[in-house]
Amino acid sequence: GESVGLHLPTLSVQEGDNSIINCAYSNSASDYFIWYKQESGKGPQFIIDIRSNMDKRQGQRVTVLLNKTVKHLSLQIAATQPGDSAVYFCAEPDNAGNMLTFGGGTRLMVKP
Amino acid sequence: DTAVSQTPKYLVTQMGNDKSIKCEQNLGHDTMYWYKQDSKKFLKIMFSYNNKELIINETVPNRFSPKSPDKAHLNLHINSLELGDSAVYFCASSQVGNQPQHFGDGTRLSIL
Repeated sequence: GESVGLHLPTLSVQEGDNSIINCAYSNSASDYFIWYKQESGKGPQFIIDIRSNMDKRQGQRVTVLLNKTVKHLSLQIAATQPGDSAVYFCAEPDNAGNMLTFGGGTRLMVKP
Repeated sequence: DTAVSQTPKYLVTQMGNDKSIKCEQNLGHDTMYWYKQDSKKFLKIMFSYNNKELIINETVPNRFSPKSPDKAHLNLHINSLELGDSAVYFCASSQVGNQPQHFGDGTRLSIL
């Protein structure tokens, strides 16, 4: 299954604040999730991933939370910086691990 | 070092023409992919290919065909271009299984 957005939601935050970007997925059998960041004119860039045997995973300034009960994924960015401005996508592979299904994306805008 | 590179970055052509986009990866990955991103930023898988099998998203018209001369290259050929083909096309690569995919910076195709 896939979570597809018909519109591109926008999250606007003040520089230095924390950001939370949410994603819903529909395939309860999914066991691997990835967050990507896409800057203007660039391709999606891997940020962090999480497997279904974990609820939380932390990277540098980023944390991904997985709630399998409600099939929800979130990306938290601490101390958001102007360079964090981009479109963020969650993605999950198909059952064979071959192809990614992307969510509709969220645009993060950081105000200085 | 560019991990996944695509050429050209921009491609402007007329309806009915045939064109190709090239992709190369120097990551030693086993699997390569093509994605299409529409004007609403929605990313959709088109093909997944490794040296064993080609997996095609059934919604992709047969005017689109991937060609892989070797493990490090996956080119995209498009015949009889249509206005609806205008989009940004991304190449990606990964190891087999649930591993992050690495994307190129895209080819913006514009059909006149």
